[in-house]
Amino acid sequence: AQTVTQSQPEMSVQEAETVTLSCTYDTSESDYYLFWYKQPPSRQMILVIRQEAYKQQNATENRFSVNFQKAAKSFSLKISDSQLGDAAMYFCAYRRRNNDMRFGAGTRLTVKP
Amino acid sequence: DSGVTQTPKHLITATGQRVTLRCSPRSGDLSVYWYQQSLDQGLQFLIQYYNGEERAKGNILERFSAQQFPDLHSELNLSSLELGDSALYFCASSSRDTSLRGNEQFFGPGTRLTVL
Repeated sequence: AQTVTQSQPEMSVQEAETVTLSCTYDTSESDYYLFWYKQPPSRQMILVIRQEAYKQQNATENRFSVNFQKAAKSFSLKISDSQLGDAAMYFCAYRRRNNDMRFGAGTRLTVKP
Repeated sequence: DSGVTQTPKHLITATGQRVTLRCSPRSGDLSVYWYQQSLDQGLQFLIQYYNGEERAKGNILERFSAQQFPDLHSELNLSSLELGDSALYFCASSSRDTSLRGNEQFFGPGTRLTVL
């Protein structure tokens, strides 16, 4: 079974600083996808960034980037120049092609002004 | 706006009752997934439908059932409700193309169920 572990229940960062959220996963598959979702107080699930496992290059979306270490089964999210609007729950998720998503327990990010 | 709609937004009911949650996927998406999120928890996969057929089951209780209709909308039926069923229920949809976007799930806004 695939499992996703987020070892940091809570993190905080100063506005304009950089923070890294950790995620590890367990799988025996070689073809899969990894995602980071943001869940603000509205509870809407918002896709932040995605990574295909076969790609060695780390995905980047503006201030958000990942450090994907396939051999170590690690998929961390780096948020640069943190903004107050980044405060939310962040969920790491794993998905095999056309299957359901497996989510981690989440990391609550607080941004201090 | 993800293109996935869910109704109702909020539902308050009593223990022992039965409710139906509705989901309309994005236009053209054949797969629908249901997830349950209890307070401050991650999302737990319940069930998946693809073009009207059940495709996969997760941690879904026997008191819960779902179906996907010919127009591709889906309903999640929760019966004999217990206090512990109070949660946010998300529906997500995806297409089946082979691109990465085909493997992205688009989430609806969720239905918040409160069982008193």
